[in-house]
Amino acid sequence: GQNIDQPTEMTATEGAIVQINCTYQTSGFNGLFWYQQHAGEAPTFLSYNVLDGLEEKGRFSSFLSRSKGYSYLLLKELQMKDSASYLCAAMDSNYQLIWGAGTKLIIKP
Amino acid sequence: NAGVTQTPKFRILKIGQSMTLQCTQDMNHNYMYWYRQDPGMGLKLIYYSVGAGITDKGEVPNGYNVSRSTTEDFPLRLELAAPSQTSVYFCASSYTKDSTDTQYFGPGTRLTVL
Repeated sequence: GQNIDQPTEMTATEGAIVQINCTYQTSGFNGLFWYQQHAGEAPTFLSYNVLDGLEEKGRFSSFLSRSKGYSYLLLKELQMKDSASYLCAAMDSNYQLIWGAGTKLIIKP
Repeated sequence: NAGVTQTPKFRILKIGQSMTLQCTQDMNHNYMYWYRQDPGMGLKLIYYSVGAGITDKGEVPNGYNVSRSTTEDFPLRLELAAPSQTSVYFCASSYTKDSTDTQYFGPGTRLTVL
């Protein structure tokens, strides 16, 4: 079956760094996406990886290891507005997104 | 551009009632999707469309129907509402289905069936 695993909740301090991990099992693989979702709002796109390695975009970076079925999202210099859920999604061979349940990130002052 | 818009934002239905969730996009995207999001669960694909006149089932299509008469609109129909359909429904669109193209989401419809 197809499955995405990520932690349910994480807590971090303002100004610190946090890493949110995601493991995936899909029928075929066409990329790994990270979306941010604030409470009561729609998901918004953060990053996309299809090749192994690190993609950096400002304070956010995303890493992929295809051989390990593993990705992480790294958030630096955390701000209170980063409090949100972070959704990991893998695209399968049919180009459909398989979504994780999301990691709720709580930022404390 | 307004992007992806959905109506209504909230709705309470009684068991057995029917309703249509509206979704419109103004980005000239070919692909449109309907997802449901339950607490503690990942987004589940209900139906998707690759263009006007073409629709296909996703992972959880039972109890729902869709149509795509125009590029812009992709309504989702619930014929006989059941408590299991209580959820948040998101419509999304993308220009292609390629992994290089992101999906843009509407603000969601929060549906409660009592």
